[in-house]
Amino acid sequence: ETGVTQTPRHLVMGMTNKKSLKCEQHLGHNAMYWYKQSAKKPLELMFVYSLEERVENNSVPSRFSPECPNSSHLFLHLHTLQPEDSALYLCASSQDWVRGLMHHVRDQETQYFGPGTRLLVL
Amino acid sequence: QKEVEQNSGPLSVPEGAIASLNCTYSDRGSQSFFWYRQYSGKSPELIMFIYSNGDKEDGRFTAQLNKASQYVSLLIRDSQPSDSATYLCAVNVLTGGGNKLTFGTGTQLKVEL
Repeated sequence: ETGVTQTPRHLVMGMTNKKSLKCEQHLGHNAMYWYKQSAKKPLELMFVYSLEERVENNSVPSRFSPECPNSSHLFLHLHTLQPEDSALYLCASSQDWVRGLMHHVRDQETQYFGPGTRLLVL
Repeated sequence: QKEVEQNSGPLSVPEGAIASLNCTYSDRGSQSFFWYRQYSGKSPELIMFIYSNGDKEDGRFTAQLNKASQYVSLLIRDSQPSDSATYLCAVNVLTGGGNKLTFGTGTQLKVEL
């Protein structure tokens, strides 16, 4: 266990459905991330939240909508997805030591991943 | 041009041998480098991180960094079947807005009995 949990672990949805993925971290971190992992492709960074503020949106289609209500929780709202969106969605957290104005400790750059949500869009 | 390049493998080594995994990156501003291990169907877990040129050792694992050549490697000594996994190389350019890792596609390692 890394201290990052994700629910659900598996999700099957139709293209007209709306669903949400949830991520929770128990590590006291102040930055959270959503990644997409497809077969034979590198992990793709989708969104970054630091101190509950979105600081990165890597040209992700609007059918993916993130929400970060506090530093421990991160959601990914899904609607009208396409079959090519089927993938493993990973949440991660880390300490953002620069914006957090904390003493620079390199270990704090490490991102810790949750178990992922395996998504299948039919 | 890929930002982080790894040979996808599979790399097959006999049990007890040294496995050598390589990674090159294109952004000279990269400051920190990570190796993650990912078992099939699981999420990535951190194996090593390095940010200074040279070697860093942790148990059976050694990370090597050469910033001039934009090259980072991972050596696994006394390879075990349990080391069979995909190894992901990631680089970090610190920008003050989260730590944005760029990952390679990973190298699949198979340790054979």
